[in-house]
Amino acid sequence: AQSVTQPDIHITVSEGASLELRCNYSYGATPYLFWYVQSPGQGLQLLLKYFSGDTLVQGIKGFEAEFKRSQSSFNLRKPSVHWSDAAEYFCAVEGRSNDYKLSFGAGTTVTVRA
Amino acid sequence: DVKVTQSSRYLVKRTGEKVFLECVQDMDHENMFWYRQDPGLGLRLIYFSYDVKMKEKGDIPEGYSVSREKKERFSLILESASTNQTSMYLCASSSRLGTEAFFGQGTRLTVV
Repeated sequence: AQSVTQPDIHITVSEGASLELRCNYSYGATPYLFWYVQSPGQGLQLLLKYFSGDTLVQGIKGFEAEFKRSQSSFNLRKPSVHWSDAAEYFCAVEGRSNDYKLSFGAGTTVTVRA
Repeated sequence: DVKVTQSSRYLVKRTGEKVFLECVQDMDHENMFWYRQDPGLGLRLIYFSYDVKMKEKGDIPEGYSVSREKKERFSLILESASTNQTSMYLCASSSRLGTEAFFGQGTRLTVV
């Protein structure tokens, strides 16, 4: 069964500092991989996704993620965070063939301090 | 603009009631999903559907059922609501595998 693990429940980072959020997945083959963000009181928004090819994926709002097959990981990064990046971040996986299940991790809450 | 609409933002129901949560998407998407979101647990998949009249169990289907009679509408049914089903419920849709899922604003259900 597929699963997604986000080891960090809560991360606090200073404005302007770099941010890295971890995501590990368990799946028989390489699934589609996604990062979503949920700002306070808002719906979920797609940040980026990994489909195939280049293992470094660029997304919106200055985020990027790196797919590492050997580690079954898809970590999200941002070089310099802004106060508006305070939100909850979710990693998600979806199977590639006849497996329409879209599963999410437990989420990581990011707090940005001035 | 793409849209997933959930019928209610807030709902209060009594224990034992049958509860219907409705979700409509206007994007002609094949796939639709129901999740519940609880603090510290993230989004847990209840049921999903990849076609009209098709449904698949997610990770926590117990106590729930779904209906998809039309492509645009996916209903979540709590057969007999219990207090442990108090939660935020999120509906989502996507066009095909590997594409972005669009979410509704959620329904905060309280069972008393």
